[in-house]
Amino acid sequence: TQLLEQSPQFLSIQEGENLTVYCNSSSVFSSLQWYRQEPGEGPVLLVTVVTGGEVKKLKRLTFQFGDARKDSSLHITAAQPGDTGLYLCAGVRGSTLGRLYFGRGTQLTVWP
Amino acid sequence: EAQVTQNPRYLITVTGKKLTVTCSQNMNHEYMSWYRQDPGLGLRQIYYSMNVEVTDKGDVPEGYKVSRKEKRNFPLILESPSPNQTSLYFCASRHRSYNEQFFGPGTRLTVL
Repeated sequence: TQLLEQSPQFLSIQEGENLTVYCNSSSVFSSLQWYRQEPGEGPVLLVTVVTGGEVKKLKRLTFQFGDARKDSSLHITAAQPGDTGLYLCAGVRGSTLGRLYFGRGTQLTVWP
Repeated sequence: EAQVTQNPRYLITVTGKKLTVTCSQNMNHEYMSWYRQDPGLGLRQIYYSMNVEVTDKGDVPEGYKVSRKEKRNFPLILESPSPNQTSLYFCASRHRSYNEQFFGPGTRLTVL
């Protein structure tokens, strides 16, 4: 069983559209991270959210951590072809500092 | 340049032939991890290490061994590889006080 459920698994949209990716769990996390991975490369960290209810913005990307620290979302405004990639959420549970639990990822394709 | 390096990047081998994938980081990070990435399954942690001589199992440790004799190196050993270990492998490291993980470029392993 997957500790973090990501949805949707695939997303194919036109340039300029908005989108939201969800990362849900029944477990509480001390922090949640979002990574982006391009083909042939390792994941690269986009943001870490730590506090329940926290919202962080990175240009056109908005990340939110749920109040109960069990879920998170990534919203992209006016998507561009350069946003294409695999988006992964990952969580740290309080007592297992070395463990990072990943969702299965959302493959986003933005068409010009 | 701060980085995580893995070697080899690509490897094709046969069932039962022992192999080692090396991982090295130059950031003096305490934590290091190995992951495998498979289509539809996302990133799954194999083993992690919180410091020299301290290692622990992740989600899918069967068939793998690791060692952490030096802080910078964390090799992954497959004593008797099998076809179900065909996968894309990533090594990662992070500082004990920060959540960001830095990933290597990946090793694509094929076991025939």
